[in-house]
Amino acid sequence: NAGVTQTPKFQVLKTGQSMTLQCAQDMNHEYMSWYRQDPGMGLRLIHYSVGAGITDQGEVPNGYNVSRSTTEDFPLRLLSAAPSQTSVYFCASSYYGGQYFGPGTRLTVT
Amino acid sequence: GQQVMQIPQYQHVQEGEDFTTYCNSSTTLSNIQWYKQRPGGHPVFLIQLVKSGEVKKQKRLTFQFGEAKKNSSLHITATQTTDVGTYFCAGPNFGNEKLTFGTGTRLTIIP
Repeated sequence: NAGVTQTPKFQVLKTGQSMTLQCAQDMNHEYMSWYRQDPGMGLRLIHYSVGAGITDQGEVPNGYNVSRSTTEDFPLRLLSAAPSQTSVYFCASSYYGGQYFGPGTRLTVT
Repeated sequence: GQQVMQIPQYQHVQEGEDFTTYCNSSTTLSNIQWYKQRPGGHPVFLIQLVKSGEVKKQKRLTFQFGEAKKNSSLHITATQTTDVGTYFCAGPNFGNEKLTFGTGTRLTIIP
């Protein structure tokens, strides 16, 4: 099992550009989520999904969209990147218990 | 909204000393989870506690869940350099899947 994979590992965007952060898991987990982690801070929930076709907002959803068309994939879309979205993004999945995190995507918006 | 606080924010200990981090939630939790994040790495799930007053051990790590299910602690006995990292607690509200992470305690070890 690859677990939770995320691509890309690093990304630099200019203000106003859009992009999609990819997340995939091969553990057949129903629950998937996206977090952002800013320097010296904890993890803040952006969006989450309890199953294919179902998504909901977390603590900091503005500026981000998600969809869940399959159990395996949960992409995060930045609609119009802003410097405030510079952060490390983690995707996680779980099956009614502890979450398994991907390696993260380090995003810089200039 | 739900808030989860951890103290201390930072802890520097001599190798071999004990370490404790405390987690407090503003609301009652259905369960509490603990994670460890090494510098530059991703959070790794350590354990989940579900029952009021529950105590679990993993080698040198002891986890406790408070009687009121609003607080928890992680105690490491005789720290080693491999314990370096940030320890996070996390808990969902009753009735939904949203997981709120604590602010974390960063542990550094002085050899």
